[in-house]
Amino acid sequence: DAGVTQSPTHLIKTRGQQVTLRCSPKSGHDTVSWYQQALGQGPQFIFQYYEEEERQRGNFPDRFSGHQFPNYSSELNVNALLLGDSALYLCASSLGVSGGRQETQYFGPGTRLLVL
Amino acid sequence: GDSVTQMEGPVTLSEEAFLTINCTYTATGYPSLFWYVQYPGEGLQLLLKATKADDKGSNKGFEATYRKETTSFHLEKGSVQVSDSAVYFCALSDPEGGSQGNLIFGKGTKLSVKP
Repeated sequence: DAGVTQSPTHLIKTRGQQVTLRCSPKSGHDTVSWYQQALGQGPQFIFQYYEEEERQRGNFPDRFSGHQFPNYSSELNVNALLLGDSALYLCASSLGVSGGRQETQYFGPGTRLLVL
Repeated sequence: GDSVTQMEGPVTLSEEAFLTINCTYTATGYPSLFWYVQYPGEGLQLLLKATKADDKGSNKGFEATYRKETTSFHLEKGSVQVSDSAVYFCALSDPEGGSQGNLIFGKGTKLSVKP
């Protein structure tokens, strides 16, 4: 049973560029969440996708956008990159909400983005 | 809003020592609580969880008990191994509260176990 996969593993961009990160959820999962983990910090929630729509969003600017495809895979796009966007970007998948309670999220290995 | 506070590291122990990593939380609803572990260069792995008060989560010799009265979820292991060296994150999910069901993490505690 394949777990959560992410691509690419590493990426180097320059300020002002745009980047797209990809995530395939764990088999059977329909919900994808994205997190940003700065060096030495805990992950911060960016947004969550369910049924191809953004369901929840954290405190991130509009430069951060996403998409979910019919096969539940997802992309995270970041425009006009800043040096401060350098981080590990983690994708997590789950079965969404059951009985009003968030199901357990399972994380991928992450994409490490460096902005120069 | 909801938040998680965990003890600052790094924590350095000798092999077979007892481990405690403290975690306290603030939540407006009735959160689920989690411990995740991150090995060097990797993503997060779920270590254990508890979904209601007095529940004990356990896995691979690690344990944590959901204490509503003290709003705590401390991680313990009776005898650590070198392979337990990693960063440990306490997290909560509070669908009825401010986090809207997504995970809120502490800053992480780095554990180093020496042979």
